[in-house]
Amino acid sequence: DTGVSQDPRHKITKRGQNVTFRCDPISEHNRLYWYRQTLGQGPEFLTYFQNEAQLEKSRLLSDRFSAERPKGSFSTLEIQRTEQGDSAMYLCASSEGVRGTDTQYFGPGTRLTVL
Amino acid sequence: AQTVTQSQPEMSVQEAETVTLSCTYDTSENNYYLFWYKQPPSRQMILVIRQEAYKQQNATENRFSVNFQKAAKSFSLKISDSQLGDTAMYFCAFMGGGSEKLVFGKGTKLTVNP
Repeated sequence: DTGVSQDPRHKITKRGQNVTFRCDPISEHNRLYWYRQTLGQGPEFLTYFQNEAQLEKSRLLSDRFSAERPKGSFSTLEIQRTEQGDSAMYLCASSEGVRGTDTQYFGPGTRLTVL
Repeated sequence: AQTVTQSQPEMSVQEAETVTLSCTYDTSENNYYLFWYKQPPSRQMILVIRQEAYKQQNATENRFSVNFQKAAKSFSLKISDSQLGDTAMYFCAFMGGGSEKLVFGKGTKLTVNP
């Protein structure tokens, strides 16, 4: 069990560019979650998947954001036409999925800086 | 909508002493779950302790224990025998209302001094 991994760990981009982040959950975990954390705040929920199905999306997830989990394993989060307000830490978490209330295990995050 | 409030932005404690972090929440749900997560500097968030609202007994995990007051909607974390490695941001979180998302407070930065 190697834990939740995220790639890249840091991303610097210019405003208007597209970026994509990857999350690899703990093996055999069915549920995968994305959160966003800005400086001085707690994480805010963005979306989550059960296997391939995206079951819940936050209103924070504007149409510039899209997330996928095509084979029920890793997930990608894409931000199109980045804005300075998108600068944040993007956290991924996974849980076993036996119960929806199973403990969520977090990855190290991807820190995005939009110039 | 559920909200979580942590009223102490920063706290400090001497090594080996006890400290209590406060958390209150607002919900109309009867069935929910509460969590404390720890985020050490530049490291990933890990679960410290969780409490099911239907359980009256307060959860404990080694040096960590909670005081869950359902009627008051209060969920404080007590750290006994504080260690330098306890220095971190501590986030209180809520899950309920049929949603699997965690709703976090703004966090309390705890510093353990030698």
